[in-house]
Amino acid sequence: EDQVTQSPEALRLQEGESSSLNCSYTVSGLRGLFWYRQDPGKGPEFLFTLYSAGEEKEKERLKATLTKKESFLHITAPKPEDSATYLCAVQEIYGGSQGNLIFGKGTKLSVKP
Amino acid sequence: EAQVTQNPRYLITVTGKKLTVTCSQNMNHEYMSWYRQDPGLGLRQIYYSMNVEVTDKGDVPEGYKVSRKEKRNFPLILESPSPNQTSLYFCASSLDKSTYNEQFFGPGTRLTVL
Repeated sequence: EDQVTQSPEALRLQEGESSSLNCSYTVSGLRGLFWYRQDPGKGPEFLFTLYSAGEEKEKERLKATLTKKESFLHITAPKPEDSATYLCAVQEIYGGSQGNLIFGKGTKLSVKP
Repeated sequence: EAQVTQNPRYLITVTGKKLTVTCSQNMNHEYMSWYRQDPGLGLRQIYYSMNVEVTDKGDVPEGYKVSRKEKRNFPLILESPSPNQTSLYFCASSLDKSTYNEQFFGPGTRLTVL
């Protein structure tokens, strides 16, 4: 059973068409939830860290929010350069992962002009 | 410039031929980690190191070895590679394990084992 599930797997948007990506998690205690952006053939690039329910972070057209069971990455008026795979990862306080990051499989976002 | 470097970037090898992928960071980070990324499976942690001479297994350590003799370097060793180790590998580092705010990833090493 996956501890971190991202949906949708792929999302195609028109330029300017706002939408949201979802990351749901099932860990016993959350230390932090992280969003990364990954361009094809490159390493993930850190975007945000969220620590507690109700927290929000913003960067340009991106806004990340956190509840007790999921996080959303809202993309407002996206541009083609926002096309990438967005990865979500959680760090749990307890459990077998020993505090390491557990990644979801990602959402591949394509923004067409 | 703060960065994580990996070498080689691309490698094609044959089953059983020992290989090493190097990873180096210039940020004086304590925590370093290796991941592999496969289609449909996402990023999975292979090994990590919390400091010099301290290493531990991640989720998929079978067939891999690591060492941490210096703070800046964290090589990944495949002593007898097999085709199921064909993957995209990433090294990453952060200040320490408790703080992932600035986890830096390397550019990746694409490994093909024939």
